[in-house]
Amino acid sequence: DIQMTQSPPSLSASVGDRVTITCRASQSINTYLNWYQQKPGKAPKLLIYVASSLQRGVPSRFSGSGSGTDFTLTISSLQPEDFATYYCQQSYSTPITFGQGTRLDIK
Amino acid sequence: EVQLVESGGGVVRPGGSLRLSCAASGFTFDDYGMSWVRQAPGKGLEWVSGINWNGGSTGYADSVKGRFTISRDNAKNSLYLQMNSLRAEDTALYYCARDYTTMVRGVDFWGQGTLVIVSS
Repeated sequence: DIQMTQSPPSLSASVGDRVTITCRASQSINTYLNWYQQKPGKAPKLLIYVASSLQRGVPSRFSGSGSGTDFTLTISSLQPEDFATYYCQQSYSTPITFGQGTRLDIK
Repeated sequence: EVQLVESGGGVVRPGGSLRLSCAASGFTFDDYGMSWVRQAPGKGLEWVSGINWNGGSTGYADSVKGRFTISRDNAKNSLYLQMNSLRAEDTALYYCARDYTTMVRGVDFWGQGTLVIVSS
């Protein structure tokens, strides 16, 4: 199975900050990498698919990059509604696997 | 409006069985792959199983392989998960999830989930 490792596990930041979350796959997954945002008590929301494509309706301050084994999610200027937990997910092969999540808190 | 409504969750004893259902509406069901994703209380997301648009291809997490079976009925716009030999570690909120392709590549729409509790 492909293991997905996110870093950092948690992060404190302020409104307006630029934030980067990384995700590393245990083997190459090409660009079969998705990013999700989840707020407490809510279902996750797709932000980025195939590593760098912005899901319709997602603000342009979110961006993704990477290929192979190393990927990043960047939020260019944090907004209050962005404080949440973020997950990466590989869909290169089954079983599909998620990272353990990165919790983004207000500093 | 896309809707995914899960049902069938509940409390079951270890070793027991449950069948989850997901009723889909607001989109052409057989244009999409579908998955079940679960989340144990206070934990992260775990993909459980997925099925392509016509049911011809399925996949399972190692933790449920041989115990769970995914299926779909495109005529009824419904997705199912038969769960047998349930264990305490299967306790979780189970989400029905629509893929953004005909295969199983990633989820663009989630239901609200149905809670499964495995306890004696």
